[in-house]
Amino acid sequence: AQSVTQPDIHITVSEGASLELRCNYSYGATPYLFWYVQSPGQGLQLLLKYFSGDTLVQGIKGFEAEFKRSQSSFNLRKPSVHWSDAAEYFCAVGGIQGAQKLVFGQGTRLTINP
Amino acid sequence: DAGVIQSPRHEVTEMGQEVTLRCKPISGHDYLFWYRQTMMRGLELLIYFNNNVPIDDSGMPEDRFSAKMPNASFSTLKIQPSEPRDSAVYFCASSPGTFGYTFGSGTRLTVV
Repeated sequence: AQSVTQPDIHITVSEGASLELRCNYSYGATPYLFWYVQSPGQGLQLLLKYFSGDTLVQGIKGFEAEFKRSQSSFNLRKPSVHWSDAAEYFCAVGGIQGAQKLVFGQGTRLTINP
Repeated sequence: DAGVIQSPRHEVTEMGQEVTLRCKPISGHDYLFWYRQTMMRGLELLIYFNNNVPIDDSGMPEDRFSAKMPNASFSTLKIQPSEPRDSAVYFCASSPGTFGYTFGSGTRLTVV
């Protein structure tokens, strides 16, 4: 079945530590790929997106993501997290069969230890 | 630009009542999306419009849900009658195309 999977429901890291959030998708063709962040009580904000070209994508707030076609993955990384990065992170795919809609993963909740 | 504006921010209603959620998209955005977020099911697309026309409503749970977009600056999502399982956060988003989504802050609906 077509899906977007975020294997980690909850991750805790220490402030200053590096971060990697995983995302895998299962679609026949390479979809457009996105990462969004949601702070408590807020809507979703786009961190970065991949359509084509360079497989390492830079986003806002110091985040980057790498597309790996062989692994059907689009993992989100940050070299050093800040307490303000605590939030829920969503991976999403779009462009399936040419449609404008996004399909979201279940999300990963990130907690930062001081 | 004020962004995507949703109202109300919070809604508490009794089972069986009609609920109407409202959304004002960003001016110039041709696409409007309604999503529902719950702990169990995550973010689900309910319906989306292009130039005020519904394109995909396959995510609408059942006939109790209906959505309209009478003009480019306004959309409603209506639930009639409401049930406790409809309790969720409902998000509206708009986009100019090319997946440039902007989300509203959501409406938290509680049906008791």
